[in-house]
Amino acid sequence: GQNIDQPTEMTATEGAIVQINCTYQTSGFNGLFWYQQHAGEAPTFLSYNVLDGLEEKGRFSSFLSRSKGYSYLLLKELQMKDSASYLCAVRVNTGGFKTIFGAGTRLFVKA
Amino acid sequence: EAQVTQNPRYLITVTGKKLTVTCSQNMNHEYMSWYRQDPGLGLRQIYYSMNVEVTDKGDVPEGYKVSRKEKRNFPLILESPSPNQTSLYFCASSLSVSTMAYEQYFGPGTRLTVT
Repeated sequence: GQNIDQPTEMTATEGAIVQINCTYQTSGFNGLFWYQQHAGEAPTFLSYNVLDGLEEKGRFSSFLSRSKGYSYLLLKELQMKDSASYLCAVRVNTGGFKTIFGAGTRLFVKA
Repeated sequence: EAQVTQNPRYLITVTGKKLTVTCSQNMNHEYMSWYRQDPGLGLRQIYYSMNVEVTDKGDVPEGYKVSRKEKRNFPLILESPSPNQTSLYFCASSLSVSTMAYEQYFGPGTRLTVT
């Protein structure tokens, strides 16, 4: 079956760095996404990886290892507004293109 | 303004009463999708559409129907809603899956309660 695992909750301090891990077991891998979702709002796109390695975008970076079925999202210089859920999602090519989401990691940033 | 809109935003209904949740995007996107979000389960894909008249099942299609007669609209139909369809529903779109324009834009969500 298709499965994505990520921690349920994490807590970090303002100004620090936090790494949110995601492991997946899927067939037909066609890309990995990270989305941010604030409480009561819609998800918004953060990053996309389809090849192995690190993608950097400002304070956010995302890493992918396809052979290990592993990704992480790195958030630097944490701010209070980064308190949100972070969703790992894998797109799979099954003839069409389905997207499978993990249950999300709720990040709490404390002062 | 580029956006995905959904209506209604909130709906309380009774078991068995047919309903439609509309979704529209103004970005000329080819790919559209419906998700439901439940606590502890995350987002689960219900149906998706690669283009006009092309739809396919996601992971939880039972009890739902969709159609894609025009590029901008992708309505979700519940023919006979049941309480287990109480959930938060999101519509999303992306330009294409065959190009690098891969990010999905989400609508604001529809909170549905079936009693």
